[in-house]
Amino acid sequence: GQQLNQSPQSMFIQEGEDVSMNCTSSSIFNTWLWYKQDPGEGPVLLIALYKAGELTSNGRLTAQFGITRKDSFLNISASIPSDVGIYFCAGRRSRDDKIIFGKGTRLHILP
Amino acid sequence: GAVVSQHPSRVICKSGTSVKIECRSLDFQATTMFWYRQFPKQSLMLMATSNEGSKATYEQGVEKDKFLINHASLTLSTLTVTSAHPEDSSFYICSAGTGAKNIQYFGAGTRLSVL
Repeated sequence: GQQLNQSPQSMFIQEGEDVSMNCTSSSIFNTWLWYKQDPGEGPVLLIALYKAGELTSNGRLTAQFGITRKDSFLNISASIPSDVGIYFCAGRRSRDDKIIFGKGTRLHILP
Repeated sequence: GAVVSQHPSRVICKSGTSVKIECRSLDFQATTMFWYRQFPKQSLMLMATSNEGSKATYEQGVEKDKFLINHASLTLSTLTVTSAHPEDSSFYICSAGTGAKNIQYFGAGTRLSVL
Protein backbone atom coordinates (compact mmCIF):
# COMPACT_ATOMS: atom_id res chain seq x y z
CA GLY A 1 0.00 0.00 0.00
CA GLN A 2 0.94 3.64 -0.16
CA GLN A 3 3.51 4.84 2.32
CA LEU A 4 4.73 8.26 3.17
CA ASN A 5 8.19 9.31 2.06
CA GLN A 6 10.07 9.59 5.31
CA SER A 7 13.65 10.77 5.40
CA PRO A 8 16.30 10.19 6.29
CA GLN A 9 16.10 6.43 6.67
CA SER A 10 18.77 6.53 9.34
CA MET A 11 20.88 9.06 11.16
CA PHE A 12 24.13 8.77 13.07
CA ILE A 13 24.72 11.74 15.33
CA GLN A 14 26.73 12.82 18.33
CA GLU A 15 25.03 13.26 21.66
CA GLY A 16 23.93 16.86 22.04
CA GLU A 17 23.28 17.44 18.36
CA ASP A 18 19.94 18.54 16.99
CA VAL A 19 18.00 16.16 14.75
CA SER A 20 15.56 16.84 11.95
CA MET A 21 13.44 14.40 9.99
CA ASN A 22 10.47 14.81 7.69
CA CYS A 23 7.68 13.13 5.83
CA THR A 24 6.21 14.09 2.50
CA SER A 25 3.39 12.82 0.35
CA SER A 26 1.58 13.62 -2.84
CA SER A 27 -1.73 13.37 -0.95
CA ILE A 28 -3.28 15.91 1.37
CA PHE A 29 -3.52 14.92 5.02
CA ASN A 30 -5.77 16.25 7.79
CA THR A 31 -3.73 14.84 10.66
CA TRP A 32 -0.05 14.17 11.19
CA LEU A 33 1.29 11.96 13.94
CA TRP A 34 4.79 11.23 15.11
CA TYR A 35 5.62 8.04 16.99
CA LYS A 36 8.77 6.60 18.53
CA GLN A 37 9.44 2.87 18.72
CA ASP A 38 12.03 1.34 21.01
CA PRO A 39 13.39 -2.14 20.18
CA GLY A 40 10.87 -4.86 20.93
CA GLU A 41 8.17 -2.39 21.88
CA GLY A 42 5.14 -0.86 20.25
CA PRO A 43 5.24 2.73 18.92
CA VAL A 44 4.51 5.49 21.39
CA LEU A 45 2.72 8.64 20.29
CA LEU A 46 4.95 11.72 20.62
CA ILE A 47 3.05 14.52 18.92
CA ALA A 48 -0.26 14.88 17.09
CA LEU A 49 -0.92 17.74 14.65
CA TYR A 50 -4.35 18.68 13.34
CA LYS A 51 -4.08 21.97 11.44
CA ALA A 52 -1.97 23.19 8.57
CA GLY A 53 0.85 25.33 9.91
CA GLU A 54 0.45 24.01 13.44
CA LEU A 55 3.69 23.89 15.41
CA THR A 56 3.66 21.75 18.55
CA SER A 57 6.34 20.96 21.09
CA ASN A 58 6.73 18.11 23.55
CA GLY A 59 9.83 18.75 25.63
CA ARG A 60 12.81 18.74 23.31
CA LEU A 61 10.65 17.61 20.41
CA THR A 62 8.99 19.98 17.98
CA ALA A 63 6.81 19.02 15.05
CA GLN A 64 5.03 21.03 12.40
CA PHE A 65 2.12 20.37 10.07
CA GLY A 66 3.18 21.70 6.68
CA ILE A 67 1.25 24.55 5.10
CA THR A 68 0.60 22.52 1.97
CA ARG A 69 -0.83 19.73 4.19
CA LYS A 70 1.42 17.29 2.34
CA ASP A 71 4.35 17.25 4.72
CA SER A 72 5.46 17.37 8.32
CA PHE A 73 8.77 17.55 10.14
CA LEU A 74 10.02 16.52 13.56
CA ASN A 75 12.96 18.17 15.28
CA ILE A 76 14.76 16.90 18.35
CA SER A 77 17.01 19.35 20.12
CA ALA A 78 20.08 18.47 22.16
CA SER A 79 19.82 14.73 21.62
CA ILE A 80 20.46 12.34 24.50
CA PRO A 81 21.13 8.58 24.49
CA SER A 82 17.51 7.66 25.23
CA ASP A 83 16.45 9.34 21.99
CA VAL A 84 17.81 6.29 20.14
CA GLY A 85 15.05 4.39 18.36
CA ILE A 86 12.87 4.43 15.27
CA TYR A 87 10.69 7.44 14.61
CA PHE A 88 7.60 6.96 12.46
CA CYS A 89 5.44 9.60 10.92
CA ALA A 90 1.82 8.82 10.15
CA GLY A 91 -0.76 10.84 8.35
CA ARG A 92 -4.51 10.64 7.99
CA ARG A 93 -5.31 11.00 4.31
CA SER A 94 -8.07 13.54 3.74
CA ARG A 95 -9.77 11.78 0.86
CA ASP A 96 -10.52 8.56 2.75
CA ASP A 97 -9.39 9.13 6.38
CA LYS A 98 -6.94 6.26 6.07
CA ILE A 99 -3.85 6.35 8.31
CA ILE A 100 -0.63 5.89 6.34
CA PHE A 101 2.74 5.23 8.01
CA GLY A 102 6.19 6.26 6.89
CA LYS A 103 9.00 3.68 6.78
CA GLY A 104 10.68 5.18 9.80
CA THR A 105 13.88 7.02 10.63
CA ARG A 106 16.41 5.09 12.70
CA LEU A 107 18.27 7.38 15.06
CA HIS A 108 21.68 6.24 16.29
CA ILE A 109 23.79 8.19 18.75
CA LEU A 110 27.52 7.70 18.48
CA PRO A 111 29.44 7.13 21.69
CA GLY B 1 -4.65 7.73 29.69
CA ALA B 2 -4.95 5.86 26.37
CA VAL B 3 -3.23 2.68 27.49
CA VAL B 4 -3.37 -0.37 25.26
CA SER B 5 -2.39 -3.72 26.67
CA GLN B 6 -1.28 -6.54 24.39
CA HIS B 7 -0.79 -10.10 25.55
CA PRO B 8 1.26 -12.22 25.34
CA SER B 9 4.45 -10.28 24.71
CA ARG B 10 6.26 -13.34 23.45
CA VAL B 11 5.11 -16.72 22.24
CA ILE B 12 6.99 -19.69 20.88
CA CYS B 13 4.96 -22.45 19.33
CA LYS B 14 5.27 -25.52 17.16
CA SER B 15 4.34 -25.43 13.51
CA GLY B 16 0.67 -26.24 12.98
CA THR B 17 -0.62 -24.83 16.23
CA SER B 18 -2.85 -21.78 16.58
CA VAL B 19 -1.91 -18.73 18.59
CA LYS B 20 -4.24 -16.10 20.01
CA ILE B 21 -3.10 -12.56 20.74
CA GLU B 22 -5.22 -10.20 22.81
CA CYS B 23 -5.40 -6.43 22.57
CA ARG B 24 -7.21 -4.46 25.24
CA SER B 25 -7.83 -0.76 25.65
CA LEU B 26 -7.55 -0.29 29.40
CA ASP B 27 -8.89 3.19 30.01
CA PHE B 28 -10.96 4.00 26.97
CA GLN B 29 -13.40 2.44 24.57
CA ALA B 30 -12.09 1.75 21.10
CA THR B 31 -14.57 1.40 18.31
CA THR B 32 -11.74 0.63 15.94
CA MET B 33 -8.68 -1.54 16.50
CA PHE B 34 -5.87 -2.21 14.09
CA TRP B 35 -3.50 -5.12 13.67
CA TYR B 36 -0.04 -4.65 12.23
CA ARG B 37 2.84 -6.93 11.37
CA GLN B 38 6.43 -5.74 11.49
CA PHE B 39 9.44 -7.53 10.05
CA PRO B 40 12.92 -6.77 11.40
CA LYS B 41 14.06 -3.28 10.50
CA GLN B 42 10.87 -2.68 8.53
CA SER B 43 7.93 -0.38 8.93
CA LEU B 44 4.49 -1.29 10.20
CA MET B 45 2.35 -3.26 7.76
CA LEU B 46 -1.36 -2.89 8.38
CA MET B 47 -3.01 -6.31 8.30
CA ALA B 48 -6.59 -5.49 9.16
CA THR B 49 -8.93 -2.99 10.72
CA SER B 50 -11.55 -4.26 13.10
CA ASN B 51 -14.67 -2.49 14.24
CA GLU B 52 -16.59 -3.62 17.29
CA GLY B 53 -19.40 -5.96 16.40
CA SER B 54 -18.61 -6.28 12.72
CA LYS B 55 -16.28 -8.22 10.48
CA ALA B 56 -12.72 -7.05 10.14
CA THR B 57 -11.52 -5.36 6.97
CA TYR B 58 -8.37 -7.05 5.73
CA GLU B 59 -5.66 -5.41 3.66
CA GLN B 60 -4.86 -6.82 0.28
CA GLY B 61 -2.75 -9.94 0.48
CA VAL B 62 -3.68 -10.80 4.07
CA GLU B 63 -5.45 -14.15 4.39
CA LYS B 64 -8.57 -13.72 6.49
CA ASP B 65 -8.80 -17.45 7.18
CA LYS B 66 -5.22 -17.47 8.37
CA PHE B 67 -5.46 -14.41 10.60
CA LEU B 68 -8.79 -14.50 12.41
CA ILE B 69 -9.81 -11.27 14.07
CA ASN B 70 -12.56 -10.92 16.64
CA HIS B 71 -13.63 -7.59 18.10
CA ALA B 72 -16.35 -8.63 20.49
CA SER B 73 -16.35 -5.59 22.76
CA LEU B 74 -15.27 -1.97 22.77
CA THR B 75 -12.17 -2.85 24.77
CA LEU B 76 -11.00 -6.16 23.34
CA SER B 77 -9.86 -7.42 19.98
CA THR B 78 -8.13 -10.73 19.34
CA LEU B 79 -5.95 -11.96 16.52
CA THR B 80 -5.64 -15.71 16.06
CA VAL B 81 -2.90 -17.01 13.83
CA THR B 82 -4.26 -20.35 12.70
CA SER B 83 -2.03 -23.30 11.85
CA ALA B 84 1.05 -21.20 12.31
CA HIS B 85 4.13 -21.88 10.20
CA PRO B 86 7.69 -20.57 10.50
CA GLU B 87 7.00 -17.88 7.89
CA ASP B 88 4.36 -16.45 10.24
CA SER B 89 7.10 -15.64 12.74
CA SER B 90 7.05 -11.89 13.19
CA PHE B 91 6.31 -9.00 15.52
CA TYR B 92 2.57 -8.36 15.70
CA ILE B 93 1.33 -5.04 17.07
CA CYS B 94 -2.19 -3.88 17.77
CA SER B 95 -3.48 -0.36 18.14
CA ALA B 96 -6.73 1.14 19.29
CA GLY B 97 -8.31 4.31 18.01
CA THR B 98 -9.88 6.87 20.30
CA GLY B 99 -11.30 10.37 20.18
CA ALA B 100 -12.88 12.35 17.40
CA LYS B 101 -9.69 12.05 15.37
CA ASN B 102 -9.42 8.30 16.08
CA ILE B 103 -5.77 8.67 17.08
CA GLN B 104 -4.10 5.28 17.35
CA TYR B 105 -2.41 4.13 20.53
CA PHE B 106 -0.29 1.02 20.28
CA GLY B 107 0.18 -2.07 22.37
CA ALA B 108 3.67 -3.27 23.24
CA GLY B 109 3.63 -5.94 20.55
CA THR B 110 3.82 -9.74 20.48
CA ARG B 111 6.85 -11.54 19.15
CA LEU B 112 5.73 -14.80 17.59
CA SER B 113 8.30 -17.49 16.88
CA VAL B 114 7.07 -20.61 15.12
CA LEU B 115 9.43 -23.56 15.26
